[in-house]
Amino acid sequence: EIVMTQSPLSLPVTPGEAASISCRSSESLLHSNGYNYLEWYLQKPGQSPQVLIYLGSTRASGVPDRFSGSTSGTDFTLKISRVEAEDVGVYYCMQALQTPFTFGGGTKVEIK
Amino acid sequence: QVQLRESGPRLVKPSGTLSLTCVVSGVSISSSNWWSWVRQPPGQGLEWIGEIYHSGTTNYNPSLKSRLTMSIDNSKNQFSLRLTSVTAADTALYYCTRRDYYTSPNWGQGTLVIVSS
Repeated sequence: EIVMTQSPLSLPVTPGEAASISCRSSESLLHSNGYNYLEWYLQKPGQSPQVLIYLGSTRASGVPDRFSGSTSGTDFTLKISRVEAEDVGVYYCMQALQTPFTFGGGTKVEIK
Repeated sequence: QVQLRESGPRLVKPSGTLSLTCVVSGVSISSSNWWSWVRQPPGQGLEWIGEIYHSGTTNYNPSLKSRLTMSIDNSKNQFSLRLTSVTAADTALYYCTRRDYYTSPNWGQGTLVIVSS
């Protein structure tokens, strides 16, 4: 199965500053249709995961444009341009190319 | 809009069978989507359980395959999960999800299942 390695484990952030989370896959997530099947989720405290990014870099409906996803081979990055207090929670990456789909271990984002 | 709602017993006895249903609204379950289950033990990360297509084709996580059965009811617009021989390790929040190849996935709110005598 594809292994997803996410870093850092914990990320203290200052509101208004930028932040980034990395995720590395053990195999390419590039489908023959040209899309990378990598998703980013945010799980706020006490809530179900909400999708932020799918197909590697497409923002889900309603997601603020301060969130962006990028790809470089098997390295994926989620960037928050200006962190807000409501962005706290645990972020997960997930590969959806090959079953069993697999998740990164999570990055806990908290306000300094 | 697409909505998914999980339902089922909150408490299951060890060695028993965990059964959950996901009722789908806003889209036909017979459309070109994969319907899946994901779980999250308390305080832990996410684990993909398996998926089913409207035709009945399934893909299961090998770690659960021997105990897992998924089914789909096109007439009721719902799909189900059945996990046998449960232990405390199966205690988790269970989420149902919808996905296809090109649009944003949808998740339910989740339902907590506790395995305990």
